[in-house]
Amino acid sequence: GAGVSQSPRYKVAKRGQDVALRCDPISGHVSLFWYQQALGQGPEFLTYFQNEAQLDKSGLPSDRFFAERPEGSVSTLKIQRTQQEDSAVYLCASSLGTGLTDTQYFGPGTRLTVL
Amino acid sequence: GENVEQHPSTLSVQEGDSAVIKCTYSDSASNYFPWYKQELGKRPQLIIDIRSNVGEKKDQRIAVTLNKTAKHFSLHITETQPEDSAVYFCAASRSNDYKLSFGAGTTVTVRA
Repeated sequence: GAGVSQSPRYKVAKRGQDVALRCDPISGHVSLFWYQQALGQGPEFLTYFQNEAQLDKSGLPSDRFFAERPEGSVSTLKIQRTQQEDSAVYLCASSLGTGLTDTQYFGPGTRLTVL
Repeated sequence: GENVEQHPSTLSVQEGDSAVIKCTYSDSASNYFPWYKQELGKRPQLIIDIRSNVGEKKDQRIAVTLNKTAKHFSLHITETQPEDSAVYFCAASRSNDYKLSFGAGTTVTVRA
């Protein structure tokens, strides 16, 4: 079946612009995660959704970052007034249940470059 | 929060030899330890995982060992092949936490 998909795959933004990154999880997956991966580093947790509820947003680096999953399926990560330090690959992952050790399946990521 | 350290950062092995990557974690409450493989420009993919009630797990050429007392776990790849070349990430999470905490990654290069 189809895996996790993300769009766009690449995004170039001028500093100060707003961007929106989309994640389509595997159909039926309850849990959805966003991670930020800087060049040469491991993914860093941003936020977690269980269906439409955002249960953990402790990893969001500032109030410029906002995520939503209004119908419990597709999720959007929005970054307002982008800064150069926001340049990274943004990964989305989903898992079938709410078990905290369920396998997380990752999308291909969106590479954001802020000029 | 959890802190995961991974060593080495790069590893070059001759085809057919073994590769070992080690990770340490700080939170003794962590009980789930997955390993992901990420090829250049592609998504991370789970290759093996271990839970704290198990000391070792093997899947064909890949094995993971866990030492809860010392708070470290290792990935072992035997009979390496060129297609094993990739970046490998270890991770850890606790049963009362949703997030995976990742190591910084190990770039493995298998020389033909």
